[in-house]
Amino acid sequence: EAGVAQSPRYKIIEKRQSVAFWCNPISGHATLYWYQQILGQGPKLLIQFQNNGVVDDSQLPKDRFSAERLKGVDSTLKIQPAKLEDSAVYLCASSLQGTTNEKLFFGSGTQLSVL
Amino acid sequence: AQSVSQHNHHVILSEAASLELGCNYSYGGTVNLFWYVQYPGQHLQLLLKYFSGDPLVKGIKGFEAEFIKSKFSFNLRKPSVQWSDTAEYFCAVIDSGGSYIPTFGRGTSLIVHP
Repeated sequence: EAGVAQSPRYKIIEKRQSVAFWCNPISGHATLYWYQQILGQGPKLLIQFQNNGVVDDSQLPKDRFSAERLKGVDSTLKIQPAKLEDSAVYLCASSLQGTTNEKLFFGSGTQLSVL
Repeated sequence: AQSVSQHNHHVILSEAASLELGCNYSYGGTVNLFWYVQYPGQHLQLLLKYFSGDPLVKGIKGFEAEFIKSKFSFNLRKPSVQWSDTAEYFCAVIDSGGSYIPTFGRGTSLIVHP
């Protein structure tokens, strides 16, 4: 079974530039999550999709972050403009239905460095 | 909002030592509890989970965790660690009566010396 695919693996940008991350979840998984993991901290949920609809984006900094999952499959997370504090690993995860007892399948993440 | 506390941030053990990692959560209602592990260079993966029934749950690689509702805790244990258990361990909680958002603790880094 193919896992959750993410790209790029690493990204280095200067502050005020824009950046985009891509995620392809496991085939058939309806729920997709984007997490931000700052060094020394646990993953923090940015946005959760159920198919192509947003379930929760309460912790997404909407003035600079945006995400979409137009066809209910792969997803893109964008930061525009980036700030120094956005340096983190951005994790994508998926689950079959998003029910409360399901496990999440994680991708390898995109490590973002903002200089 | 739900919060998850992992009080041990860094743990260093020798092989064959016993392990217990603490996890406490804040929500007082029905919860589903998870431990995830991230081995060096790999992605996060599920170690074990609890959502009902026997509060003592067993996971992969000899790990187990006990859900104690009165203490809002879900501590991870292993009687004898191996060098290959060196990894980052994350506790996660989903509360069934609220947002259904999987909330993670900050993680515990475990280093096992051979």
